[in-house]
Amino acid sequence: EAQVTQNPRYLITVTGKKLTVTCSQNMNHEYMSWYRQDPGLGLRQIYYSMNVEVTDKGDVPEGYKVSRKEKRNFPLILESPSPNQTSLYFCASFPLPFTQGNEQYFGPGTRLTVT
Amino acid sequence: KQEVTQIPAALSVPEGENLVLNCSFTDSAIYNLQWFRQDPGKGLTSLLLIQSSQREQTSGRLNASLDKSSGRSTLYIAASQPGDSATYLCAVKRETSGSRLTFGEGTQLTVNP
Repeated sequence: EAQVTQNPRYLITVTGKKLTVTCSQNMNHEYMSWYRQDPGLGLRQIYYSMNVEVTDKGDVPEGYKVSRKEKRNFPLILESPSPNQTSLYFCASFPLPFTQGNEQYFGPGTRLTVT
Repeated sequence: KQEVTQIPAALSVPEGENLVLNCSFTDSAIYNLQWFRQDPGKGLTSLLLIQSSQREQTSGRLNASLDKSSGRSTLYIAASQPGDSATYLCAVKRETSGSRLTFGEGTQLTVNP
């Protein structure tokens, strides 16, 4: 089954304690992306990656890092989490090249609370 | 900057009704528009994708239309069922944004038995 998986699904942590949210896809997609979803703001893109070792900032990259060492994995790293990073996070993947008919596939989401 | 607005923010209807969800966008230079469904505690499920060259797409009881020139899309749900209760999101991909999607805030739909 084609899918995007994220772990953990729920995480409560404290300010300043480094954490990593993993994302993996089994569709051999080149493009992967991280979004955060907040009430009143909708979904906003954090970082994206066009392929292995190729990453770039989205709309709200501050406070986040990513890496793309393997095609299937795209972890999101919070080096020093702060309460304003409390949010619902989604990983997505997408096949290249960009064609009008291609859809993005989303993971189930990770609900992060930073106290 | 592309902005996407969805109206209404919430909608409650009795089972069996036909309903329309609206999505509007400010920049008509879009590549495609995608409708998603989001269930509580779950991810986004893609429902329909309309390419910029298309006027509508249909899947079962769902029909999505696109009027690129006026910056509007509608999602029509026929004969609504309680299982349709969810948040519906529309997202547009601009021609020059790579694969970045700009999302609306969604319409929370409740279908009452």
